[in-house]
Formats: sequence, C-alpha cells, structure tokens
Amino acid sequence: NAGVTQTPKFRILKIGQSMTLQCAQDMNHNYMYWYRQDPGMGLKLIYYSVGAGITDKGEVPNGYNVSRSTTEDFPLRLELAAPSQTSVYFCASSYSQGKFGGNTIYFGDGRWLTVV
Amino acid sequence: AQRVTQPEKLLSVFKGAPVELKCNYSYSGSPELFWYVQYSRQRLQLLLRHISRESIKGFTADLNKGETSFHLKKPFAQEEDSAMYYCALTQTSGSRLTFGEGTQLTVNP
Repeated sequence: NAGVTQTPKFRILKIGQSMTLQCAQDMNHNYMYWYRQDPGMGLKLIYYSVGAGITDKGEVPNGYNVSRSTTEDFPLRLELAAPSQTSVYFCASSYSQGKFGGNTIYFGDGRWLTVV
Repeated sequence: AQRVTQPEKLLSVFKGAPVELKCNYSYSGSPELFWYVQYSRQRLQLLLRHISRESIKGFTADLNKGETSFHLKKPFAQEEDSAMYYCALTQTSGSRLTFGEGTQLTVNP
C-alpha cells in the first residue's frame, strides 16, 4: 500500500490564483481529513469527510473547498489564494474502529504551499 | 469545545536522561488521547494511544482524568527520539482529532 499520497510536491501561488491539492489513499479508509500547520503552531483541521459524498467543515474552513466523489480521493481547493494560506498542508485518513478501538489516523507527508 | 495544550514548544535533554512531554486537555465527554510523532523528513505517525496502554519505543503515557493530563514519558532518552511530538484528542466514538501545538524534543549526545 502506498498509504496517503499528496500531490503536487510544493507550490508557489500568486495572490488570487486558485489551485487544487490532491490527496489519495489506498487503504479503503472511510474518513479523510485536511489539516494545515502554520510555523510554530499545531495542526488545524480544515475539512473532513466521513465517506464518499459527505464533507464537513473543521476549525479553519474559510477560503477552502473540498469534495469526496470517491472513497479514495479528497482534493482540497483554494479558490482565491491569500498570503494567510501559506502553510504546510497534511492530508490524512482513518478507518474508525468503533467505540473501543479508536481511530488511528494515517498522514500524508505534507506539502508546502506559499502564496506571494 | 475540546482543546489540547502542550505548554513546551521546545524541550532539550541529554542522552540517557528522563524526559517528560506535557499534555493537558479540556473536554467534557469521554476522551481518547493519542501521541503522534514526526521525525525529521518523515510523515506524522501514531506513537501511542491511551486506550492501548502500551509502551512504544520506551515511551509511556498515562491518562489522568483528575488532572486532565496525558504526559508522555521515557526514562532514558535516546538521540533517535529527537522529533516533533503532538498530543491529540478525540471523543471515544468520533473521528475528529484535535491536536496540540507540538513539542520539539531534542536529545543531545
């Protein structure tokens, strides 16, 4: 298994441009997530999805959109890039193991996005 | 609202010394606590979770509901333990993890 794969490797965007960060997982996980990590800060949840066709906002959803048309893919779209969106973006997935098993979340290796 | 606090952004110890990374949480329900670790140039990965009561790479963490803490401990730190450590919380049957801000641990030779 490749696990959680994020593309592209890194991007530099100009203010106002749009782009999509791709995320794919091959573990048949039903839950997927997008986090951002600003320098010196913790991980903040942007959006998450509990299954194909279902998405929900996290802590910091403004300026982003997501879709979940398949179990495997969970792209994150920035419509009008702003400098405040300069960050490292992590995609993750998990399979809920129920009440007693908890959730082990598997992360992608993160992607730097710089907006100038 | 659930919240995780890691009071130390940076922690430096010498090899062989004990290490404790602090984590406090606030949550009104029944939480599940985790420690995630990110080694240099590697992706974030699960280190341990309280429900398993396990010791991974010599690390242990005990959930103290009275003090709402989940501190990570290791009696003898090794250089390869140098990494970024994140404490995280979710509700027992939930999926959304709330992360602390992380503690960068450096183990000096």
